[in-house]
Formats: sequence, structure tokens, C-alpha cells
Amino acid sequence: GESVGLHLPTLSVQEGDNSIINCAYSNSASDYFIWYKQESGKGPQFIIDIRSNMDKRQGQRVTVLLNKTVKHLSLQIAATQPGDSAVYFCAEKDSGAGSYQLTFGKGTKLSVIP
Amino acid sequence: DAGVTQSPTHLIKTRGQQVTLRCSPISGHKSVSWYQQVLGQGPQFIFQYYEKEERGRGNFPDRFSARQFPNYSSELNVNALLLGDSALYLCASSLVVYSNQPQHFGDGTRLSIL
Repeated sequence: GESVGLHLPTLSVQEGDNSIINCAYSNSASDYFIWYKQESGKGPQFIIDIRSNMDKRQGQRVTVLLNKTVKHLSLQIAATQPGDSAVYFCAEKDSGAGSYQLTFGKGTKLSVIP
Repeated sequence: DAGVTQSPTHLIKTRGQQVTLRCSPISGHKSVSWYQQVLGQGPQFIFQYYEKEERGRGNFPDRFSARQFPNYSSELNVNALLLGDSALYLCASSLVVYSNQPQHFGDGTRLSIL
């Protein structure tokens, strides 16, 4: 299928290493953040989320860190595997929008080198 | 359990035509949102529907419209198609409209305008 990763920032990581994907957000009114993984030809797949009253949340092999002071979000993937190769998007929800609207970042393409 | 399902998967139209895209949410989810994803970019919010009412609208022209049915499925309509409407159209569902819970996406409809 067509690649969603055209002209996106790319992170190349050796298999087994840890990956860190960063995201800057701009809306200080955002109260909820989600990381999605998108493989070629597919829709975004939920990975992990975090609410604005937290600064860290862990899942299976993934950790999300939130720094509200500098409006920065990061996704850490432990022991990166070839199946982790995809485009990763951070998304934020505005608490004052009156509806559930996600604003997505530009995306980062993760390439895992076997 | 079935995830979000969208139909058709691919569609080719010409300028000026009209198109209808369909979405069935995850069972039990009452909110449906539509996003447009242009190649190389993150998804952009178009509409949110909950209990058959529009709850949010993004910055899209009136050529875009949608509706939600009593079974919570939804249709997105686009009239007077332009070349710039070529994109992946994604549907996402969530349990309710105002809670901090993740939206889950379908694999989208790839719309190509000739």
C-alpha cells in the first residue's frame, strides 16, 4: 500500500535497542494525549495514552513521558523489534473544545534495522 | 470483537462528483469521528457525531457533511469533489463523547480524484 511516511522525520534503530520518539505540542489546554502507530495501508493503531495530571505511564514495552512545562511528549519503546517499524503520531485533545477532537502531530517514521 | 469497519476500501472518482463513505463503530461505541489524512501528514479532524447529533466540526467546507444512524454507524458525504479531496478518510469510534478514552480507528477509505 501507499506509504504514510513520505517526507517525515525518520528514526533508524538497531533491532534490540531502545527507541525514543519525541513530540512537541502547542495547546496548553490539552488534557489528554495518545500515541498511535500507523503501518502502511492501515489506520492508526492505539499504543498508549496519558492524562495531563500524570507525567509518566508505562505499558508493555512502551513508556510515555509528559512534560507540561515545555509542552513535550515522548514515546519510549524498549527492545525495538522489526514489527515496530511504522509511522508514529502523537495526538492531543483540547479540554475546552466542547467535543472530542484529536489534533495530530507531524509523525515520525521508525525504521528498525535487523 | 470486530474493530471499526469502513467501506469501501478504495474509491476512484472524477472532479465534480459526489461520494459517500461508510463506517461501523466498535460494538458499544456511541461516538463516531471522521478524519482526513493527506499523504505524508497526520489525520485532520472533520466531524464528530454522538447520539445522531453533530458534536464537533473541523475546518472543512460545507461540501463535507455527515450523519449518524440509530445503530451508531455513520456516513460521510463529500459533494463537488476537487482534486485536493484525494486522501485517506478515517473513521474513529469511542465509547462516549467527552471522556478521556482513546479513539479507535478503522483502516480507512482511500479516495482518489481524477
